[in-house]
Amino acid sequence: DTGVSQDPRHKITKRGQNVTFRCDPISEHNRLYWYRQTLGQGPEFLTYFQNEAQLEKSRLLSDRFSAERPKGSFSTLEIQRTEQGDSAMYLCASSLASQGSEKLFFGSGTQLSVL
Amino acid sequence: QQQVKQSPQSLIVQKGGISIINCAYENTAFDYFPWYQQFPGKGPALLIAIRPDVSEKKEGRFTISFNKSAKQFSLHIMDSQPGDSATYFCAASWGRRALTFGSGTRLQVQP
Repeated sequence: DTGVSQDPRHKITKRGQNVTFRCDPISEHNRLYWYRQTLGQGPEFLTYFQNEAQLEKSRLLSDRFSAERPKGSFSTLEIQRTEQGDSAMYLCASSLASQGSEKLFFGSGTQLSVL
Repeated sequence: QQQVKQSPQSLIVQKGGISIINCAYENTAFDYFPWYQQFPGKGPALLIAIRPDVSEKKEGRFTISFNKSAKQFSLHIMDSQPGDSATYFCAASWGRRALTFGSGTRLQVQP
């Protein structure tokens, strides 16, 4: 069991640049979630996929954010025209659809710093 | 709208003591209430969870107490150890929807 893998672990970028993060879920998990966490706060839901279908997006998710899961395996989260307020830890999690949000397994996250 | 309110923000407990963290929720549709533990540099990990059909669930030194009428639930850590020092998050969801997390409690267990 390799767990949920996220790449890169850290990303430093300049304001206005685009960034892309990758998440590899646990192999048999068909649900994949993206969360954002800022210092001193709990994870904030962004979006989730069941297989390749994006089933829910948070109203907080700006149009600059886009996520894909083209083959129902790994997922990418892209942020266009980054802003300083995008600085946060981006967490990916996976689960079995039969369990929904139960038994969610999180990766160690990608820490984004926008200068 | 903050749907899950967690307190306290931080907690210091002596080794062997009881740590108690509280959460209150607003959405009566919530039917799943987990607690997650997070160490620095790691993602949250599921610790224990409860559904509203029971008032208490115990797993080892960790106990969830649930009060449906008050819309509150709490985590009790018995015989707290320095290795329990971490940030704890309560969460809630319903109908297999995404979890809504509380703001977290930073626990320090002093030796």
